[in-house]
Amino acid sequence: EAGVAQSPRYKIIEKRQSVAFWCNPISGHATLYWYQQILGQGPKLLIQFQNNGVVDDSQLPKDRFSAERLKGVDSTLKIQPAKLEDSAVYLCASTRGLAGGSIREQYFGPGTRLTVT
Amino acid sequence: QQQVKQSPQSLIVQKGGISIINCAYENTAFDYFPWYQQFPGKGPALLIAIRPDVSEKKEGRFTISFNKSAKQFSLHIMDSQPGDSATYFCAAFEGGAGSYQLTFGKGTKLSVIP
Repeated sequence: EAGVAQSPRYKIIEKRQSVAFWCNPISGHATLYWYQQILGQGPKLLIQFQNNGVVDDSQLPKDRFSAERLKGVDSTLKIQPAKLEDSAVYLCASTRGLAGGSIREQYFGPGTRLTVT
Repeated sequence: QQQVKQSPQSLIVQKGGISIINCAYENTAFDYFPWYQQFPGKGPALLIAIRPDVSEKKEGRFTISFNKSAKQFSLHIMDSQPGDSATYFCAAFEGGAGSYQLTFGKGTKLSVIP
C-alpha cells in the first residue's frame, strides 16, 4: 500500500509571495488532515477534511491560508501572502474514516519544508 | 494552551539502556493516546498506542504505561539501539461532533549512543 504523497518536498519563497502544497492520501482514506510543524514543536492541526467537505478549520489562519479537496482525494494547501512565521514543515495525514478505531490511526506523509525569507 | 505536556525535551541514553519519555494531559475527553516516531526529513510514524481503559501495552521493545487517575502516560524503550535515535511525540486523540483531533506534545529528541 502506497503511503501519503506530498510535493514539493522543499520550497523557498520570499515573504508576501504565494505558495501551494499538494497531498495525495492513501487510497481509500476518506479523512485528510493538514498540519503545520514548526521547528522544535509537535504538529499542529490546520484543517480536517472528510471526503471533500471541511470538518474542522478552526485553527486555519483564513486570512492567508486556504485548502481544498475537490474530488475527495487529492488536496492542496495554499498560503497567500506568506509571512516569515509561516516557515515550517507542512504535513499531510490521512485515515480510513469513521469506521471504528481506524479514525484514530493517522498516517503521515513526508511533509513539505517551507522557508520564507 | 498546551494540552499535552511532554518531557524531557532531549534524552541521551547508552546503547542497551532504557529510554523513558513522559507525557501529561488535562482534557479527560481524550480517549486514545498514540506515540509517534519521527526521523529527520520524514513524517511522524505511528509507533504504539493505548486506550485509557488499559494500564500498559507492550509491543516488542516499546511499552506504554498509562495512569488514568494521574492523567499521565509514558513510553519506555527497552534495550535502546542507535537506530532508535529519533524524535518521539506523544499525542492524545479527541473525537466528537464530527471532528477528530490529535493534539501533540512538543517532542523528545532521543539520542542513543553506542
